Amino acid sequence: DAKTTQPTSMDCAEGRAANLPCNHSTISGNEYVYWYRQIHSQGPQYIIHGLKNNETNEMASLIITEDRKSSTLILPHATLRDTAVYYCIVSDYMDSNYQLIWGAGTKLIIKP
Amino acid sequence: NAGVTQTPKFQVLKTGQSMTLQCAQDMNHEYMSWYRQDPGMGLRLIHYSVGAGITDQGEVPNGYNVSRSTTEDFPLRLLSAAPSQTSVYFCASSHRLAGDTTGELFFGEGSRLTVL
Repeated sequence: DAKTTQPTSMDCAEGRAANLPCNHSTISGNEYVYWYRQIHSQGPQYIIHGLKNNETNEMASLIITEDRKSSTLILPHATLRDTAVYYCIVSDYMDSNYQLIWGAGTKLIIKP
Repeated sequence: NAGVTQTPKFQVLKTGQSMTLQCAQDMNHEYMSWYRQDPGMGLRLIHYSVGAGITDQGEVPNGYNVSRSTTEDFPLRLLSAAPSQTSVYFCASSHRLAGDTTGELFFGEGSRLTVL
């Protein structure tokens, strides 16, 4: 089973920051938090990942709480093209390898 | 670079038929994997490979076989198709980074399979 909990859906106004929360209370010390998004039925697209420090790239920022039990993905200036399903994933150790176990994600709708 | 290429994009099968979904990547990635995605759900891992000659089972491996004879190719075989295997299938690849889990996964466009 997925090790994360996300809201089913969220709205955000175009041009505003979109803040997507994720709970991962059972995360272990060496497990990363990954964010991907899926636009329509395309293949998922990598956004960002982190271990314990906050991370930023050209797409988004990832804020991880000090206890690592939750995180927030921030899209600083949302556009209509950011409408997608956003997946927060914590790796899981299976058969000597880490794997990503996906939940249902958050459907983010950007409104004009 | 073409990235991750999946063929076919669409396929209709009858129950009991077999087929192979092809996946190829040109990024020299060590790690490759197959996922299925049912409507309204996230991806579920079927099989994966950490290098040529090495494969392993994911969450939902029953009814599927894989092989990895080259770094570039990772075909998924459906042995005897069943309606429950109607789904969208995604192939993904990545570099495996020391101390990291899967690295950044690159996905193909998906193969939409219907089993009647």
